[in-house]
Amino acid sequence: GDSVTQMEGPVTLSEEAFLTINCTYTATGYPSLFWYVQYPGEGLQLLLKATKADDKGSNKGFEATYRKETTSFHLEKGSVQVSDSAVYFCALPNYGGSQGNLIFGKGTKLSVKP
Amino acid sequence: ETGVTQSPTHLIKTRGQQVTLRCSSQSGHNTVSWYQQALGQGPQFIFQYYREEENGRGNFPPRFSGLQFPNYSSELNVNALELDDSALYLCASSRDRANTGELFFGEGSRLTVL
Repeated sequence: GDSVTQMEGPVTLSEEAFLTINCTYTATGYPSLFWYVQYPGEGLQLLLKATKADDKGSNKGFEATYRKETTSFHLEKGSVQVSDSAVYFCALPNYGGSQGNLIFGKGTKLSVKP
Repeated sequence: ETGVTQSPTHLIKTRGQQVTLRCSSQSGHNTVSWYQQALGQGPQFIFQYYREEENGRGNFPPRFSGLQFPNYSSELNVNALELDDSALYLCASSRDRANTGELFFGEGSRLTVL
């Protein structure tokens, strides 16, 4: 079945460092891809999305490009801030199962030190 | 615009007890999904409700049940609680049941089963 694999965390960076969180997926067809973020003590919120191959989603300085050839959707940010400390989830819709079902990766915890 | 709200935020139960968790969907949203997030894991889909009917279910036993009300708010009921049911339970709403993958999450209800 469809699945999402994220790099294992936790990731600890200093402020202003470059961030990459890897995400690869297995799916039938070409689904939309998503990054969700969960700040401490909060629910998940959509960070960015891409709906087709070669699309680049971006928000709050984060970017991710939908790479069909490598089935990847890596999250990047050029200069992280302490406020970016959170858990990041890569996700794709599960069209093969029930509607509205998002398949999430296990999450990557990012800690940014001042 | 009111976001997704969940109650209670925290609760402690003992094995064998029953629990009811509540969710108010975001204004204008008629579809509610429930997810279970174990510590250090990604959210796992429990079920979805659309216009008061269950519209899909993940791999959870029948002791996990739900309701959706005419105002689109929802309840998650878990009977015969087990220790492994300890988790953060997330409610998410969306504008309709079409699987766009864009969900709006509440902050969750953290259940501890002793």
